[in-house]
Amino acid sequence: AQSVTQLDSQVPVFEEAPVELRCNYSSSVSVYLFWYVQYPNQGLQLLLKYLSGSTLVESINGFEAEFNKSQTSFHLRKPSVHISDTAEYFCAVREIQGAQKLVFGQGTRLTINP
Amino acid sequence: KAGVTQTPRYLIKTRGQQVTLSCSPISGHRSVSWYQQTPGQGLQFLFEYFSETQRNKGNFPGRFSGRQFSNSRSEMNVSTLELGDSALYLCASSPGGRDRAYEQYFGPGTRLTVT
Repeated sequence: AQSVTQLDSQVPVFEEAPVELRCNYSSSVSVYLFWYVQYPNQGLQLLLKYLSGSTLVESINGFEAEFNKSQTSFHLRKPSVHISDTAEYFCAVREIQGAQKLVFGQGTRLTINP
Repeated sequence: KAGVTQTPRYLIKTRGQQVTLSCSPISGHRSVSWYQQTPGQGLQFLFEYFSETQRNKGNFPGRFSGRQFSNSRSEMNVSTLELGDSALYLCASSPGGRDRAYEQYFGPGTRLTVT
């Protein structure tokens, strides 16, 4: 079985400041890793994913995440946040070989203050 | 391509009633998964359907059931509703084929309130 821990339930930052949202996972099998974002009253949107290859993955809107196998982490970072980044962010894993279900962390609410 | 659509978007039901939620996946996608999102439990996997067959099931009571039609549209049903079933129900679609390195696309969800 897998589990995902997002270490911060809420992260307030000022606009244009850097931010890091932390995610650690536990799994006895190999997994794919994902970050999803949820804006108010909306479903989940995929932000970025790690499937294989380079451990640093980037999204089109400036977010990046680095897969660290030894620390079983997949932290999300952005060097300069905008008001529009205010949302809830979910880290998730899915077994490469097993059941096709996403296991989510509890989410981190990112609040950007002007 | 059109995205994943879910109907209805909002629903209010009374304890003891039953409810059916609908999900239309992205054209060409054969896998539909359902998730329940609550403030207390977060996002939890309900079940997955692929080519009209339930392929995976989460840890929910038998009151939660689903099905998938030949056009890949899926429905989930909750019988004998309880207050704790109030949640946002999300549907996700994916190709679901042999190449497992695919992503799942989520719909906007159905907000179910049980009174």
